Amino acid sequence: DAKTTQPPSMDCAEGRAANLPCNHSTISGNEYVYWYRQIHSQGPQYIIHGLKNNETNEMASLIITEDRKSSTLILPHATLRDTAVYYCIVRAFFNDYKLSFGAGTTVTVRA
Amino acid sequence: EPEVTQTPSHQVTQMGQEVILRCVPISNHLYFYWYRQILGQKVEFLVSFYNNEISEKSEIFDDQFSVERPDGSNFTLKIRSTKLEDSAMYFCASSETGGKTEAFFGQGTRLTVV
Repeated sequence: DAKTTQPPSMDCAEGRAANLPCNHSTISGNEYVYWYRQIHSQGPQYIIHGLKNNETNEMASLIITEDRKSSTLILPHATLRDTAVYYCIVRAFFNDYKLSFGAGTTVTVRA
Repeated sequence: EPEVTQTPSHQVTQMGQEVILRCVPISNHLYFYWYRQILGQKVEFLVSFYNNEISEKSEIFDDQFSVERPDGSNFTLKIRSTKLEDSAMYFCASSETGGKTEAFFGQGTRLTVV
């Protein structure tokens, strides 16, 4: 079962930042926060992950609150190609490596 | 950029037949996974595989399913006696280590059971 809560959908204007929230209030100390996205029925695409520090890569930034109970994925300049379902997933770093996908957030980027 | 490759992209099979879905994980990865997604539903975990054995499997992964790494490069999912409800996208994934590194997914095999 998914251990995260995400809004079902959100819209974003092209060129603007998209901030995607995620609650994971029951996260444990041995779990990372992972973000993936899925465009149509393609394979899920890895975006970013973090443990407790904020992370940034060429795709996005991940902000994790100090208590680790929530996080925000930031797409700095959304494009139409960022329209996808975004999944926030908590994943253990030992013993249980599976990714448990929930329903995610359907992000629609509008011109 | 290294990628996970799955073949075929689309497989149509008669109910009751056996199918083998094939995957070539990223070459230095040690952990392998199969997931499936029934049309309009969530991505579901099936099985994880490490060191030539199953490390975890879901309730979906019953005796109808089996996995194998026959030659050190391919990773296969066999579905015996397919049923209509096995129709889905099947995704293979691999990761270098367990939960600390990202898993990369293939583009999937669309299985249609008729």
